[in-house]
Amino acid sequence: DGGITQSPKYLFRKEGQNVTLSCEQNLNHDAMYWYRQDPGQGLRLIYYSQIVNDFQKGDIAEGYSVSREKKESFPLTVTSAQKNPTAFYLCASSTTWGGTGELFFGEGSRLTVL
Amino acid sequence: AQRVTQPEKLLSVFKGAPVELKCNYSYSGSPELFWYVQYSRQRLQLLLRHISRESIKGFTADLNKGETSFHLKKPFAQEEDSAMYYCALNAGNNRLAFGKGNQVVVIP
Repeated sequence: DGGITQSPKYLFRKEGQNVTLSCEQNLNHDAMYWYRQDPGQGLRLIYYSQIVNDFQKGDIAEGYSVSREKKESFPLTVTSAQKNPTAFYLCASSTTWGGTGELFFGEGSRLTVL
Repeated sequence: AQRVTQPEKLLSVFKGAPVELKCNYSYSGSPELFWYVQYSRQRLQLLLRHISRESIKGFTADLNKGETSFHLKKPFAQEEDSAMYYCALNAGNNRLAFGKGNQVVVIP
């Protein structure tokens, strides 16, 4: 079954702890993205990667970190420096050639900081 | 800087009535615009893109560069259209800038 898999679906963490959200795709897409979705805020870009071993900050990168060691994987770490980490996180991927602009999204991970 | 504005958060319409979701954008280059939809308990997915000029599930959207708008329209709303709708702008390299979204509720 092709697509994007995010895990875990639900995650609870105590303040001061780092947490890593997993995102895996088997669509052979070069580009991967992390968005944060908050009620009334829409989707805001955290980080994106156009190719393996390269990634760029999005609009709200502070308090987050990523890596792109494999084409299929783009994990997001929410660090203790993120002031308001409770949110719904969406991972997406796309082809970079053709410029169709279609992103394929995962089901999301809901992080709650207690 | 690129920006996408969707002015109405919640839109309630009766089944069979027309629905229009407004989207305005600001972008210095040649815009590529999209509408994404998220149905209850489903993934966010592409509904339509302006370059295709197609009708999907009865929805259409026309890019108006003069008014910098890309409003989504459907003449007769159906209950299955109840969802969250996001307008998005390709800000370069397939980085999409999204609006804040419209929650559409179709009343039977």
